[in-house]
Amino acid sequence: ELKVEQNPLFLSMQEGKNYTIYCNYSTTSDRLYWYRQDPGKSLESLFVLLSNGAVKQEGRLMASLDTKARLSTLHITAAVHDLSATYFCAVDTNAGKSTFGDGTTLTVKP
Amino acid sequence: DVKVTQSSRYLVKRTGEKVFLECVQDMDHENMFWYRQDPGLGLRLIYFSYDVKMKEKGDIPEGYSVSREKKERFSLILESASTNQTSMYLCASSLAVVGGHGYTFGSGTRLTVV
Repeated sequence: ELKVEQNPLFLSMQEGKNYTIYCNYSTTSDRLYWYRQDPGKSLESLFVLLSNGAVKQEGRLMASLDTKARLSTLHITAAVHDLSATYFCAVDTNAGKSTFGDGTTLTVKP
Repeated sequence: DVKVTQSSRYLVKRTGEKVFLECVQDMDHENMFWYRQDPGLGLRLIYFSYDVKMKEKGDIPEGYSVSREKKERFSLILESASTNQTSMYLCASSLAVVGGHGYTFGSGTRLTVV
C-alpha cells in the first residue's frame, strides 16, 4: 500500500524567510503533484512533476522530484502572507488515481 | 477553462434524509472521485469511477453509494444521512493515462446534517 508522508504538518514562519516542505512516498512512481488549499476552499493544482529531476517554479514556490529517493520538496523563498495555505502532495499510483499526503498548513506571519 | 462543478456549495439536511451530491466535469475525463475532508483527517476517498457505470470503493464507502450513468456526471448518494456525515465533500476528475496531470477539483460542498 502506498504511503505518502509530508513534513512538517504545521509550519509557522516569518515573512521573508525560506523554508522547505518535504513529501516522501513509499513505492515507485514518477508522477507527483502539489496542490494548494485556502481555508474553506477546495484544492487547486500548483505543480505537476512527471520525471526524475523535474523542477517547476512559480513565483516564490519551487517544487522538485527525486524518484530514486522517493522524495519531493516544495521550497518557499522569501515567504509572504499570501502564501499562507495548506499544501498537499499527491502521488499518482494507477493511471490517474492519486494518494494524498496529510497536508502541510503554512502560516506566514509579519 | 476546464471545470469540475459541484451543484451546491452549502447544504443542510436532516438526519435520515436521502442526499444527492452532484458533480459534473467538462474535460472528458475518464476518472472521477469523491472525497470527504474533515479537520485533522486529511482527504479520505469515498468512491471513485474509471468509466461510465463503473465504480470502486475507496477507503470509507460505508453509508454512501454512487452513480455514474454518463461520463461527465458522478453523483454521491447518502442513503440515510447521519450527523457523522457532516463534512466537506470534494469531487475531482482526472485523465486515465500514464503521465497524467493530476486532479481537477470542484469547489466543494459543505454538508451539515442536523
